[in-house]
Amino acid sequence: QKEVEQNSGPLSVPEGAIASLNCTYSDRGSQSFFWYRQYSGKSPELIMSIYSNGDKEDGRFTAQLNKASQYVSLLIRDSQPSDSATYLCAVNRYYGNNRLAFGKGNQVVVIP
Amino acid sequence: DGGITQSPKYLFRKEGQNVTLSCEQNLNHDAMYWYRQDPGQGLRLIYYSQIVNDFQKGDIAEGYSVSREKKESFPLTVTSAQKNPTAFYLCASNLGMAGVGADTQYFGPGTRLTVL
Repeated sequence: QKEVEQNSGPLSVPEGAIASLNCTYSDRGSQSFFWYRQYSGKSPELIMSIYSNGDKEDGRFTAQLNKASQYVSLLIRDSQPSDSATYLCAVNRYYGNNRLAFGKGNQVVVIP
Repeated sequence: DGGITQSPKYLFRKEGQNVTLSCEQNLNHDAMYWYRQDPGQGLRLIYYSQIVNDFQKGDIAEGYSVSREKKESFPLTVTSAQKNPTAFYLCASNLGMAGVGADTQYFGPGTRLTVL
């Protein structure tokens, strides 16, 4: 089982719709969770971090964490063409270790 | 203007050559990281350093070397022993301590290395 898994295949959503991305992780001891956005040819930029079970909202983005089920998700509301990018899920297993494990990413395409 | 800089943006290497990628940060971060990204793949950790004059191997350290002589700088050398070095190389940094928010990694713009 891979350390961090993101469901494969590009996600196409109409402009204004909700994009939903999921990520599962294998280590039950994982402590912190991150979503990064990466435009083609660019470096990842942080969208959200989440540390506790539940929802965390920041503008049009909502991260959801469920440690019991070992998944973290990202919702993008009112999707815009500028949201078209690859979204990377990253997990830090231990405080103080700071080694992130990354999923392969989910490509999102917002159709105008 | 705080941030992480990487140079060069593009680098071409002939087979058998060593090349060094630069990474500099002015965020006063203690920890720095090097990742490699291949097309359609996630990021894989090459080396990391949590303090000056100390560094550890990541998951794919073979064929690479690093140094950490200054807090601000963490250069990566891709040696001729790295058989498939063509990739996008990303440098990142964070505060390097425990606690909420302190482990958030921020990335530089990357260096795209191509072997000719």
